[in-house]
Amino acid sequence: EPEVTQTPSHQVTQMGQEVILRCVPISNHLYFYWYRQILGQKVEFLVSFYNNEISEKSEIFDDQFSVERPDGSNFTLKIRSTKLEDSAMYFCASSEALTAGGYTFGSGTRLTVV
Amino acid sequence: SQQGEEDPQALSIQEGENATMNCSYKTSINNLQWYRQNSGRGLVHLILIRSNEREKHSGRLRVTLDTSKKSSSLLITASRAADTASYFCAPAGNMLTFGGGTRLMVKP
Repeated sequence: EPEVTQTPSHQVTQMGQEVILRCVPISNHLYFYWYRQILGQKVEFLVSFYNNEISEKSEIFDDQFSVERPDGSNFTLKIRSTKLEDSAMYFCASSEALTAGGYTFGSGTRLTVV
Repeated sequence: SQQGEEDPQALSIQEGENATMNCSYKTSINNLQWYRQNSGRGLVHLILIRSNEREKHSGRLRVTLDTSKKSSSLLITASRAADTASYFCAPAGNMLTFGGGTRLMVKP
């Protein structure tokens, strides 16, 4: 069964450093998403991406965040200057259609900012 | 808010019993989806019910949708210890958002 792959599985970074979280969506999917889950809290929507541009973003997705699809297979989330409160699980997901079908989620990257 | 709110927040049952989880939402939807999350893992899509459907089955899962009441329910029949997880509904408008979920514990 096709999978969404995320790397690394765990990233520890110093506050103020830039991090890039990587995702390989399912190859025939057209829509890509990032979500995050702070420990013990709900899964929060960050951003959706289609046709090489952001289609929706939440209030969480401020100027410190950016997404990119650099090479037609990878989908990345960059946090420019990490804060302690950015510590969370970050999930990438992809889908064939915007919401007409289910999303396939990756296993997540646990980001720890120290 | 587009996200669903699940009820109860936590449910503990014995293996073999049925588990029922409810979802309420506020906006109009194209469909409603249910997902499962094992601790610390990504969400797994379980089932999708379209706005013009009232009931849908998939294996041991049964989902109902009442658009007039803006509510849905997920029934897991003959539960197993492996069903222990958090379950989320996601009313689908122009994006999927998730509520706090129902934490289901199935005791062997």
